[in-house]
Amino acid sequence: EVQLLESGGGLVQPGGSLRLSCVASGFTFSTYTMSWVRQAPGKGLEWVSSISGSGSFTYGADSVKGRFSISRDNSNNTLYLQMDSLRADDTAVYYCAKRCVGSCSHFENWGQGTLVAVSS
Amino acid sequence: SYELTQPNSVSVALGQTARLTCGGHDIAAKSVQWYHQRPGQAPVLVMHTNDKRPSGVPERLSGTNSGNTATLTISGAQVGDEGDFYCQVWDIYTSSVIFGGGTKLSVL
Repeated sequence: EVQLLESGGGLVQPGGSLRLSCVASGFTFSTYTMSWVRQAPGKGLEWVSSISGSGSFTYGADSVKGRFSISRDNSNNTLYLQMDSLRADDTAVYYCAKRCVGSCSHFENWGQGTLVAVSS
Repeated sequence: SYELTQPNSVSVALGQTARLTCGGHDIAAKSVQWYHQRPGQAPVLVMHTNDKRPSGVPERLSGTNSGNTATLTISGAQVGDEGDFYCQVWDIYTSSVIFGGGTKLSVL
């Protein structure tokens, strides 16, 4: 059974930093592109960033470029999101998601999310 | 950048058919996915590649994609179908994942 367990969320002041983690199990982690998707309170889903299985390729939304960095540790089946220069509008639940393999783009599995609150 | 447009809300009577739309320029040229999110829960994939149902998704859910509109059809709507539905595509030109704004489905 695929499991994705996020952690690292919390309350942080504007301009601060936070690192999210997502521990994966139940599949061959290094085979899959992994992503972060966020959801602000009462709002819709917003894609944040993706990283290829090897970690060689990364993609990110314009709203987080230069501030957020995605990475992975395939030896420990863990996905990361380093978030710097946080702003109030970064407040959201952050989901870790496993993308399908091959020429497809859907998210097969999602974690339960971790809440990031940016406030003074 | 590419945009997906979904109605804010759709209501359907219990047991009737709901049609949720997702509009985008020439969306038929893209592969469309649909996710269902119940309050307080993570999204769940209910349709991918326009009309493919993941294992465990009932046959009363179906998908189409033509012209500028993709549609998720829910037949025999049940109370458990309530929640938010999001469409999603991959924009190859910007290497970005695009989500629609979501539709809140109410079953009356």
